[in-house]
Amino acid sequence: EAQVTQNPRYLITVTGKKLTVTCSQNMNHEYMSWYRQDPGLGLRQIYYSMNVEVTDKGDVPEGYKVSRKEKRNFPLILESPSPNQTSLYFCASSRISNYGYTFGSGTRLTVV
Amino acid sequence: KNEVEQSPQNLTAQEGEFITINCSYSVGISALHWLQQHPGGGIVSLFMLSSGKKKHGRLIATINIQEKHSSLHITASHPRDSAVYICAVRSNTDKLIFGTGTRLQVFP
Repeated sequence: EAQVTQNPRYLITVTGKKLTVTCSQNMNHEYMSWYRQDPGLGLRQIYYSMNVEVTDKGDVPEGYKVSRKEKRNFPLILESPSPNQTSLYFCASSRISNYGYTFGSGTRLTVV
Repeated sequence: KNEVEQSPQNLTAQEGEFITINCSYSVGISALHWLQQHPGGGIVSLFMLSSGKKKHGRLIATINIQEKHSSLHITASHPRDSAVYICAVRSNTDKLIFGTGTRLQVFP
């Protein structure tokens, strides 16, 4: 089944403790991206990647890192999480930039 | 001012009604997407448009590039259509910019 897999689905962590949210797709898509969704603000793009070893900042990249060492994986790294990074995170992929997107199921992160 | 504006923010309808959700944008785009998010949180891509009109079942999406406007129509609405509908545009710099969504509730 074609899908984007995010892990974990839920995560509660403490301020400053490094964490990684994984994202993997099995569709050989070139384009992958990360978003956060907050009440009243909607979805905002954090980082995106057009292909292996190519990443670019979205609208809210501060406090996040990404890497694209392999085509299928696009992990989101929070080196020192803070409470304002408490949010619902989505990963998505697309064949090329102007095809429809496939979204992961989301990761609900709480930083205390 | 948001670069992508949706209206209305909230919409209630009776089953069977024709529904229209509007999206206006102010940036140059290469494509516009309509997404659906159900209460459980998952997001599904409904349409991608760069011109004209697309239809899938009871859903119709149109875009007017000159007016920078798109509409999503639902014919013969059903309670299972209840969800948040999100308009998103891919800018000419490859960023994806989202509207804040339209919450639709369809009552039997």
